[in-house]
Amino acid sequence: QVHLQESGPGLVKPSETLSLTCNVSDFSISSGYYWGWIRQPPGQGLEWIGGGFYTGSTSYNPSLKSRATISLDPSNNQFSLTLNSVTAADTAVYYCARVSDFGDSHRGYFDFWGQGALVTVSS
Amino acid sequence: SYELTQPPSVSVSPGQTASITCSGNKLEDKYVGWYQQKAGQSPVLVIYQDYQRPSGIPERFSGSNSGSTATLTISGTQAVDEADYYCQAWDSYTGVFGGGTKLTVL
Repeated sequence: QVHLQESGPGLVKPSETLSLTCNVSDFSISSGYYWGWIRQPPGQGLEWIGGGFYTGSTSYNPSLKSRATISLDPSNNQFSLTLNSVTAADTAVYYCARVSDFGDSHRGYFDFWGQGALVTVSS
Repeated sequence: SYELTQPPSVSVSPGQTASITCSGNKLEDKYVGWYQQKAGQSPVLVIYQDYQRPSGIPERFSGSNSGSTATLTISGTQAVDEADYYCQAWDSYTGVFGGGTKLTVL
């Protein structure tokens, strides 16, 4: 079993930067696999934010217009998300997840998820 | 950008078969995953790569993908299957989720 746990501030002011960390246990992120972030605004559906490999290769949802940055820290077995210039529309539960079988064939699937972290953007 | 379209809601009687569709342009050329999300919980993978079932997922869950539509089928639906269901695929290296379908077991 792979365990993921999100952590970070639950309240962020508008125009500031949202920062979250996903701690991974019982599995090394250096073993490969793709590690991603997904969010869910209250009462709405899932939205893929982006993800990356421990090598540093990353990809992002174009709708976020370059506001998101994902980085992996193999030494601490964790990965992080920063989202700058936040607005109320960024209020959501943020999930981190592992993607298996991710590659050029685009066969990947999210097989392990964290419990989610609610981030509210408000002054 | 690529889009996946799901019906907002599906209703089924206990013991009957529920079918949830997911539509997208040339979807059969992609691999589709399905996720179950119960109220207040994280999503759970129930089908991956169109029809593969993860360990621990009941056999009543099955999937298919043909043409522009992928389908999640739940045979002998039980009350515990009441949840939101999301399809997901990759468009190049961009992840895409469908809008979700609320399954009600009446």
